[in-house]
Amino acid sequence: DVKVTQSSRYLVKRTGEKVFLECVQDMDHENMFWYRQDPGLGLRLIYFSYDVKMKEKGDIPEGYSVSREKKERFSLILESASTNQTSMYLCASSLKGLAAPYNEQFFGPGTRLTVL
Amino acid sequence: KQEVTQIPAALSVPEGENLVLNCSFTDSAIYNLQWFRQDPGKGLTSLLLIQSSQREQTSGRLNASLDKSSGRSTLYIAASQPGDSATYLCAVSNRGSTLGRLYFGRGTQLTVWP
Repeated sequence: DVKVTQSSRYLVKRTGEKVFLECVQDMDHENMFWYRQDPGLGLRLIYFSYDVKMKEKGDIPEGYSVSREKKERFSLILESASTNQTSMYLCASSLKGLAAPYNEQFFGPGTRLTVL
Repeated sequence: KQEVTQIPAALSVPEGENLVLNCSFTDSAIYNLQWFRQDPGKGLTSLLLIQSSQREQTSGRLNASLDKSSGRSTLYIAASQPGDSATYLCAVSNRGSTLGRLYFGRGTQLTVWP
């Protein structure tokens, strides 16, 4: 079974802190994604990566950065946390390319981040 | 830009009913469509994936159909149970991209009461 893990289930940080959210997958997937989920807004894509050291902006990248130094690990960084970044953060991964089983995405359990 | 809509936003039914959740998308040039389940405070669990060349997929009491030309998919749940209570999301990936980016609907919140 594909397993996607996230470093924390719950996290409380203060405004202005630098925050790291870690995601690890064990199925050798090329693609990895970071979403945030808010009531009434659904899932929104923040950043994604299709290879080591490669990244692409999603729909709401402002205030976030990412790092992908190893294939299995994708980190989301909040450079200076703000209260409007309080949210549920979800990581996902999938195989890449036309030869893949049509890019089925697998999700981690989520990190509930509260910024005070 | 692909837009995905799910109707209804919420549904409450008694145990044992058969029910249908609807998903529509604006761009029919899709790669696949995926149905997910999300329990409160948890991540998403993949239920079914329908490739663009397929018309339906089945898993146990779940059956998902795809009509690409009309931009619609339905998730049919047979003999619903209280354990089916969750939010169900559909998502599509577009042709022309090997990155597998998904576009999500906002979900249908299902409550099955005993």
